[in-house]
Amino acid sequence: DIQMTQSPSSPSASVGDRVTITCQASQDITNYLNWYQQKPGKAPKLLIYDASNLETGVPSRFSGNGSGTDFTFSISSLQPEDIATYFCQQYDNLPLTFGGGTKVEIK
Amino acid sequence: QLQLQESGPGLVKPSETLSLTCTVSGGSISSPNYFWGWIRQPPGKGLEWIGSLYYSGSAYYSPSLKSRVTISVDTSKNQFSLRLSSVTATDTAVYYCARHGPARRGRSLTLFNYWGQGTLVTVSS
Repeated sequence: DIQMTQSPSSPSASVGDRVTITCQASQDITNYLNWYQQKPGKAPKLLIYDASNLETGVPSRFSGNGSGTDFTFSISSLQPEDIATYFCQQYDNLPLTFGGGTKVEIK
Repeated sequence: QLQLQESGPGLVKPSETLSLTCTVSGGSISSPNYFWGWIRQPPGKGLEWIGSLYYSGSAYYSPSLKSRVTISVDTSKNQFSLRLSSVTATDTAVYYCARHGPARRGRSLTLFNYWGQGTLVTVSS
């Protein structure tokens, strides 16, 4: 199985700050990598697919980058509604696997 | 707008079989190029893919659960179902059904772009 490791585990930032989360795959997954946002009590929501493509309707302050084994997800200017847990997910190989999640909080 | 809704018992006894159904509305489960999947999330923990299937009945399962899981489809009802046998407390989780995006780049199982609201299943006597 491909292991997906996210860090930091729980970044704390102020409104307006830039927040960056990393996701590392245990082997090369090219860019078969998606990012999701999950708010408490809700289902995950797709934000980024294929490492860097913004899903339709997702605000442009969200972005993704990377290829191979190392990926980043960024929020350019943190907003209060961005408080959530973010997950990466690879689909290069089965089984599909997710990162452990990164909870973004307001300082 | 495509919608998915999970249904089934919220409490299952240890060693019994967990059974959930996902009802799809606003679209057809028989649409070509889309797989339908189940994902679970233990309380306070991360996401785990259980398995996915195509409307033809072709299915893929997570190896860690494969011996206990069956995912099936009923196209006449626009539903697909999950059965997980011999459950233990570690199977307690919120179970989500979801639809994959279209097959792309040589992969049939890709992103998940439509999700049900999730249903909590507790395994306890």
